[in-house]
Amino acid sequence: DAKTTQPPSMDCAEGRAANLPCNHSTISGNEYVYWYRQIHSQGPQYIIHGLKNNETNEMASLIITEDRKSSTLILPHATLRDTAVYYCIVRGSGGGADGLTFGKGTHLIIQP
Amino acid sequence: DAGVIQSPRHEVTEMGQEVTLRCKPISGHDYLFWYRQTMMRGLELLIYFNNNVPIDDSGMPEDRFSAKMPNASFSTLKIQPSEPRDSAVYFCASSLDTTGFTEAFFGQGTRLTVV
Repeated sequence: DAKTTQPPSMDCAEGRAANLPCNHSTISGNEYVYWYRQIHSQGPQYIIHGLKNNETNEMASLIITEDRKSSTLILPHATLRDTAVYYCIVRGSGGGADGLTFGKGTHLIIQP
Repeated sequence: DAGVIQSPRHEVTEMGQEVTLRCKPISGHDYLFWYRQTMMRGLELLIYFNNNVPIDDSGMPEDRFSAKMPNASFSTLKIQPSEPRDSAVYFCASSLDTTGFTEAFFGQGTRLTVV
């Protein structure tokens, strides 16, 4: 699986959009971009995933650049409960579910 | 479904003792994963099962660690004998067997302290 690079920490004001970047310059054509987050003292939680098109769900939006070498997770209206470590993960689309490889992630702190 | 259920939530044990962590995956899920999380190493995959069969245990740190899945609704991770460096939060996760996308659902974790 391709390696990802994320800033170690970010701040965002409550109510504003939080934009979390991820670099994955070695991503290959069949690899997806996944985002998970881990709120303090809880297990990781799936947020969203995509291949090359932008994606949106009830939690967030995922913007993937045309060359797929980077992506941005957008939380449109951040709340205090969005304070967490956010992990960007790149992995293939093969059948089944080999384990996800978590890096250090970005610690997002939402300020009141 | 109540999600992935792990027990106990907290475990404190003395060095040298046997520790058993338990996990009940989401009903119908074909894959089960055990992870360990520490400040130094982050989240590490220890082992995963597909249809109760261990597929990849390359992340298991040493022979003191063993994992079993006797049926589709139960798995254990055992450490014998335990050491202080085993102190960590251990997570269990499960997912469906679908081609392409698989969302892993994690339990609340077991915080293990070995003194």
